[in-house]
Amino acid sequence: DGGITQSPKYLFRKEGQNVTLSCEQNLNHDAMYWYRQDPGQGLRLIYYSQIVNDFQKGDIAEGYSVSREKKESFPLTVTSAQKNPTAFYLCASNRGDFYVTDTQYFGPGTRLTVL
Amino acid sequence: GENVEQHPSTLSVQEGDSAVIKCTYSDSASNYFPWYKQELGKRPQLIIDIRSNVGEKKDQRIAVTLNKTAKHFSLHITETQPEDSAVYFCAALANQAGTALIFGKGTTLSVSS
Repeated sequence: DGGITQSPKYLFRKEGQNVTLSCEQNLNHDAMYWYRQDPGQGLRLIYYSQIVNDFQKGDIAEGYSVSREKKESFPLTVTSAQKNPTAFYLCASNRGDFYVTDTQYFGPGTRLTVL
Repeated sequence: GENVEQHPSTLSVQEGDSAVIKCTYSDSASNYFPWYKQELGKRPQLIIDIRSNVGEKKDQRIAVTLNKTAKHFSLHITETQPEDSAVYFCAALANQAGTALIFGKGTTLSVSS
């Protein structure tokens, strides 16, 4: 999992601002994911991408946007439409193969706080 | 779609005791069930996983069992140590979200010495 990096580690945002969280991987993985973690809520899926130039909404996509222009990168934008964005955001990746044991590796996370 | 329920939400044991965490899933098509351990402020780390064609898997002090008929799987930790204290998440791979995992809400395990 050392092959996945997220930046910044901490991010502070004022209400009404959009912010972009970076996620990069050098594992040659096709699939990438964004999860949001809140205390007592587990990890909830925001967006996922199985391949470059394609992505799909997860369970809580409202107020977020993503792009997947390169295999290595899957940035997440938290827009002003997201009502409660303060959370710990985790990026993950794997090969994206449903039929084999395909470990999903996580980045170190970004803690976003809205001031 | 897939839903994963995890119990208990908190678990306190004495060092050396065993700990068991249970999860149920709803989608019978799910075929992969990993367990992650997350220490405070850190990323989740895979500790063990199981495929649907296997009933049990062991790795030293940890084991996972799967009952496909009942749609539940469990994590067993024997001879617990203080360093086992963390939040543990179960997950299931279901095919309604590509290869994304659906996670339980987590169990906070505290091991006291």
